[in-house]
Amino acid sequence: DAKTTQPPSMDCAEGRAANLPCNHSTISGNEYVYWYRQIHSQGPQYIIHGLKNNETNEMASLIITEDRKSSTLILPHATLRDTAVYYCIVRVDGTRAQKLVFGQGTRLTINP
Amino acid sequence: KAGVTQTPRYLIKTRGQQVTLSCSPISGHRSVSWYQQTPGQGLQFLFEYFSETQRNKGNFPGRFSGRQFSNSRSEMNVSTLELGDSALYLCASSPGATGNTGELFFGEGSRLTVL
Repeated sequence: DAKTTQPPSMDCAEGRAANLPCNHSTISGNEYVYWYRQIHSQGPQYIIHGLKNNETNEMASLIITEDRKSSTLILPHATLRDTAVYYCIVRVDGTRAQKLVFGQGTRLTINP
Repeated sequence: KAGVTQTPRYLIKTRGQQVTLSCSPISGHRSVSWYQQTPGQGLQFLFEYFSETQRNKGNFPGRFSGRQFSNSRSEMNVSTLELGDSALYLCASSPGATGNTGELFFGEGSRLTVL
């Protein structure tokens, strides 16, 4: 699985959009970009994933660059409950084995 | 639908002892994965079970083992505990069939402290 690079920490004001970047310059054509988050002392929570097109769900939007070497997770209206560590992961879908390779993630702090 | 349930949530053991952790996946999910989370190493994959068979294994010593039962419930065991085994152990479930996605459902974890 390709390696990802994320800033170790970010701050965002409550009510503003939080934009979390991720670099995955060695991503392969069949690897998807996944985002998870982990709120303190809880298990990781799936947020969103995509291959090449931008994706949006009730939690967030995922913007993937045309060359697929980087992506941005957008939380449109951040709340205090969005304070968490956010992990960007790339992996091949459709395989039998289930394994996620977590990096160090970005610690996002939402400030009131 | 109930989520992934892990027991116990907290436990304290001493060096040299062994521990067994349990995980009940979401109903209908056949794949169960285990992860170890420590401040120094972060989240690391331990192993995955599907239909009672280990399908994938991380880079951990043989003291770490697991199994899966016919009802998809899984247990992991750590023998001869070391101080470095103190960690949050997370279980994740997914449908597990070929063609599945990387959307895993994690439990709250079992926090093990080794004294």
